[in-house]
Amino acid sequence: NAGVTQTPKFQVLKTGQSMTLQCAQDMNHNSMYWYRQDPGMGLRLIYYSASEGTTDKGEVPNGYNVSRLNKREFSLRLESAAPSQTSVYFCAIRLGGQGALYEQYFGPGTRLTVT
Amino acid sequence: GENVEQHPSTLSVQEGDSAVIKCTYSDSASNYFPWYKQELGKGPQLIIDIRSNVGEKKDQRIAVTLNKTAKHFSLHITETQPEDSAVYFCAARASGFQKLVFGTGTRLLVSP
Repeated sequence: NAGVTQTPKFQVLKTGQSMTLQCAQDMNHNSMYWYRQDPGMGLRLIYYSASEGTTDKGEVPNGYNVSRLNKREFSLRLESAAPSQTSVYFCAIRLGGQGALYEQYFGPGTRLTVT
Repeated sequence: GENVEQHPSTLSVQEGDSAVIKCTYSDSASNYFPWYKQELGKGPQLIIDIRSNVGEKKDQRIAVTLNKTAKHFSLHITETQPEDSAVYFCAARASGFQKLVFGTGTRLLVSP
């Protein structure tokens, strides 16, 4: 998963605590995404950012906020963690230019447990 | 919006057999269909993709077929090997959108 890094790799939170998941890319691409993966549910889009300074909601945005402060970094924040947010979180980038390839390239993931 | 269904949820085969995973999509405007392989503890990795102007694409032991009329596409793995054991996801992208919609995944187990 070289090119997309996620920190931390693992995290345990108590209900009500807050934290920020970090994602950084060194591939100079515009579009970045946050997904969560739950057993039997596949990958569900939380938020995405088409370019620096823009963000849009995905399928399951409730309980999350995002920041795209520069082209390289896209962070996901849980303001008040709930057990339902226990999941594996993946950051992804979109490869290719406008109208070209659409491959999404995934980071290694962050495993979050909320107790 | 787009909805992608994937079957089966689990698939067990013997080494050397073929494996087929099927997906259906709802949005006739979808024009890009990737398949991802996810090994334990790792992020999904693209293994093959197909665009709506092509009916079939092959890469060594892996092939994908697309039927636009029926709105379904399939992943075919021939001569399976134990290292093919993983979770496979299909996805679809509707034209004009930057988002992929994923299926729920198929856990493939290849027994020696």
